[in-house]
Amino acid sequence: GQQLNQSPQSMFIQEGEDVSMNCTSSSIFNTWLWYKQEPGEGPVLLIALYKAGELTSNGRLTAQFGITRKDSFLNISASIPSDVGIYFCAGTSLGGSQGNLIFGKGTKLSVKP
Amino acid sequence: GAGVSQTPSNKVTEKGKYVELRCDPISGHTALYWYRQSLGQGPEFLIYFQGTGAADDSGLPNDRFFAVRPEGSVSTLKIQRTERGDSAVYLCASTLTGTNTGELFFGEGSRLTVL
Repeated sequence: GQQLNQSPQSMFIQEGEDVSMNCTSSSIFNTWLWYKQEPGEGPVLLIALYKAGELTSNGRLTAQFGITRKDSFLNISASIPSDVGIYFCAGTSLGGSQGNLIFGKGTKLSVKP
Repeated sequence: GAGVSQTPSNKVTEKGKYVELRCDPISGHTALYWYRQSLGQGPEFLIYFQGTGAADDSGLPNDRFFAVRPEGSVSTLKIQRTERGDSAVYLCASTLTGTNTGELFFGEGSRLTVL
């Protein structure tokens, strides 16, 4: 099946540092989304992208939908301890139903105070 | 509560047993989704309901898995003859019809352990 390659797998950073993670696919995606999951919780939507080239911000978070429609990145500026969690990219592919999101394997973020 | 509610939060069963997992979506949400998340992996799509009908069940792994949503609200995921490989967190999500694609509200999940 289709897969999303998400990198890095994990990150250990100091509080205040900026973070960048990305996601690539071998096929075109119609939508790109970024979710965050904390232990014992379900994923929570951070940012949704619907157009190639779209750049969207949500507070300290910025994400972009790649021009080729095969990639996306998420940046977090000035990280804080509550940013800790697993960040997942997700998307819907051409021909996929609106409910059928394909998720990456996640980037685990650890922040040292 | 206002969010998606899933019960039980934890279920331990023996191989070969039958299991039911329940999802109560956000009030008024017409679309409901089931995903499965194995350890260290991202969620994997199972099935999606629009109202009472399954709009896409292409993610159900085999005929041991079945889901219903008889009144267009609460949904039950049913797993027959459980296997150890079924152990995972089963996540439910819901949205309003017309919501932008992919903007799902997830519950906390039901953790299934098959011994």
